[in-house]
Amino acid sequence: AQTVTQSQPEMSVQEAETVTLSCTYDTSESDYYLFWYKQPPSRQMILVIRQEAYKQQNATENRFSVNFQKAAKSFSLKISDSQLGDAAMYFCAYRSAESSMGSARQLTFGSGTQLTVLP
Amino acid sequence: NAGVTQTPKFRVLKTGQSMTLLCAQDMNHEYMYWYRQDPGMGLRLIHYSVGEGTTAKGEVPDGYNVSRLKKQNFLLGLESAAPSQTSVYFCASTNQMTGGLVQHFGDGTRLSIL
Repeated sequence: AQTVTQSQPEMSVQEAETVTLSCTYDTSESDYYLFWYKQPPSRQMILVIRQEAYKQQNATENRFSVNFQKAAKSFSLKISDSQLGDAAMYFCAYRSAESSMGSARQLTFGSGTQLTVLP
Repeated sequence: NAGVTQTPKFRVLKTGQSMTLLCAQDMNHEYMYWYRQDPGMGLRLIHYSVGEGTTAKGEVPDGYNVSRLKKQNFLLGLESAAPSQTSVYFCASTNQMTGGLVQHFGDGTRLSIL
C-alpha cells in the first residue's frame, strides 16, 4: 500500500515571500500521479497542481510549482509571492496509474500542512 | 452546474442512531468515493464505487455501508453511529474521460456523534 507523509503540520510565511511545503511518499509502483490540494476554511477541496511520475519536468501553475524527485520519492510545493488568499490546509495526494491492477483512481492523502500567511 | 452535492451539510446524532449521507453528481461520472477527514490524519477512503451497482471497501470501511443503485447517487450509511465516527465526510467523483485525473469534491458533511 502507498503512504504519503507531510512532516510539517503547520507553516507560516510573510505575505509576498516564498514558502515550500514538503511531501514524501512510499510506493513500489513506477507509474503514478501526485497532487497538491488546497482546503480553505470553506472546506472546499481545490486542486492546485498535478505531476505525472513519467514526466521529468516539474509542473508549474502560475505562482505554484513543484520539486519532484522521483528517486527520493519527494514532492514539495513551492508558493511564490504568497498572498493572504493562499492561507489554507494543503494536502499532498498520490494516485496509482490506470495500468495498476485494482486501481479505482482513488487518492491517498497525507495528513496536511496548515499554512498561515502573515500580512 | 451543481457538480457534486452532499446532503446534509451538518448533522448531530446520538450514539446508536442510524443515518444516511447522500452524494449526488450530475456529471455522469463512473467513479465515486466516500472519504472521512479527521484532524491530523488527512482524508481517508471509506468506500468507493467504479460503476452503478458496484461498491468496494477502502481503507477504513468498518461501521459503514454504501450503495450505488443509480449512477448519479452514492449513499453512505451508518447503521449504529459511534462517537469515533465524528468526522467531516467528503464525497468525490471522477470519470474515465479525463483518466480520473480530476476528482470533483462535494463541500463535505460535518457529522457529530454524541
